Amino acid sequence: DSGVTQTPKHLITATGQRVTLRCSPRSGDLSVYWYQQSLDQGLQFLIQYYNGEERAKGNILERFSAQQFPDLHSELNLSSLELGDSALYFCASSVARRLSSTDTQYFGPGTRLTVL
Amino acid sequence: AQTVTQSQPEMSVQEAETVTLSCTYDTSESNYYLFWYKQPPSRQMILVIRQEAYKQQNATENRFSVNFQKAAKSFSLKISDSQLGDTAMYFCAFMTRDDKIIFGKGTRLHILP
Repeated sequence: DSGVTQTPKHLITATGQRVTLRCSPRSGDLSVYWYQQSLDQGLQFLIQYYNGEERAKGNILERFSAQQFPDLHSELNLSSLELGDSALYFCASSVARRLSSTDTQYFGPGTRLTVL
Repeated sequence: AQTVTQSQPEMSVQEAETVTLSCTYDTSESNYYLFWYKQPPSRQMILVIRQEAYKQQNATENRFSVNFQKAAKSFSLKISDSQLGDTAMYFCAFMTRDDKIIFGKGTRLHILP
């Protein structure tokens, strides 16, 4: 158990819908990262937040948005869902703003999203 | 564009043997971090080892070690005395200067009894 929790574990929805994925980082971690793992695109970095502020942005679609709340949990919002959005969405957390030789990124178990 | 390439989609080795997974990357940056992550069938992503580009000494973590060749932009992972629990998907990853993390497509490793 990494200490990072993600809810829900599974989510099945229809095209055009909107969903929210939730992540709680490890106690003491200020950074939260979101990743998408799909069969065709592999593992892709979406976005990072540090202490409530957006820190780095990857291949995140405009239909997707995220935020980190004062209690440091984060939510990833996916809207106007398409079949291709079906994937495993991981959240990870770390202590610092930037990964270093002493800071480790801990991954949650993921949320499996299926868009029908 | 910065890319990470893992040329071996799948590999199989006998238990207790040594196996090397290849990774090459492309960047114009001089300082960066490289990582190997393991994803077992449980789907949990686990950091195996990391390397800072400015450190010439290869990183080691127990049975896992890397061969970092900066000039060649190569970052291979060696697993010694392989165990059944090493069966997993292994991802090589690179962290850019602006903190984006780029992953390779992965190598599926099977350890055979």
